[in-house]
Amino acid sequence: KAGVTQTPRYLIKTRGQQVTLSCSPISGHRSVSWYQQTPGQGLQFLFEYFSETQRNKGNFPGRFSGRQFSNSRSEMNVSTLELGDSALYLCASSRTSGRMGTGELFFGEGSRLTVL
Amino acid sequence: QKEVEQNSGPLSVPEGAIASLNCTYSDRGSQSFFWYRQYSGKSPELIMSIYSNGDKEDGRFTAQLNKASQYVSLLIRDSQPSDSATYLCAVNMKANSKLTFGKGITLSVRP
Repeated sequence: KAGVTQTPRYLIKTRGQQVTLSCSPISGHRSVSWYQQTPGQGLQFLFEYFSETQRNKGNFPGRFSGRQFSNSRSEMNVSTLELGDSALYLCASSRTSGRMGTGELFFGEGSRLTVL
Repeated sequence: QKEVEQNSGPLSVPEGAIASLNCTYSDRGSQSFFWYRQYSGKSPELIMSIYSNGDKEDGRFTAQLNKASQYVSLLIRDSQPSDSATYLCAVNMKANSKLTFGKGITLSVRP
């Protein structure tokens, strides 16, 4: 059974640019969550999508956005990149939404973004 | 108070010892609790989930939950060097249904 696939794995951008990250969940999983991981802040919740609807959102500025397609694949976009956006962005899939009280997530390998 | 708090660590134990990892959370109504393990350079993987007060055992791992004290812990018996990793406590917060992670504690098992 294929795991969660994230692309690209590594990318370098400059301030002011935008970036789009992609995530393909495990087959049959309808929930996709995105997290930002940095050494100082740890894992911070960005948002969760379930059946193409955003079910939950973290405390990030509007520059961070996402969407989910009918095949459950998800993308997140960060516009007007700042140096502080340099981080590992992790996608995780689950059968059910966090709104159901679950927390059994399967993480992808992440996309490491460096902003220069 | 932070939503999910873990001892800052790092924690170092000798091979064969019991490693005890602790976590407290702020939302008293939370019902779902998880422990993830993250090896250096890898993504987190779920190792334990616990929903009821008391102990839950899985091999060398035991999760303990005390909702009255808002405390969850992970015990690793007969620690092995391969257990060396960062352990993340996660709580599905009742107030907002967000799975919130602690900052993690790095465990080092000395051969």
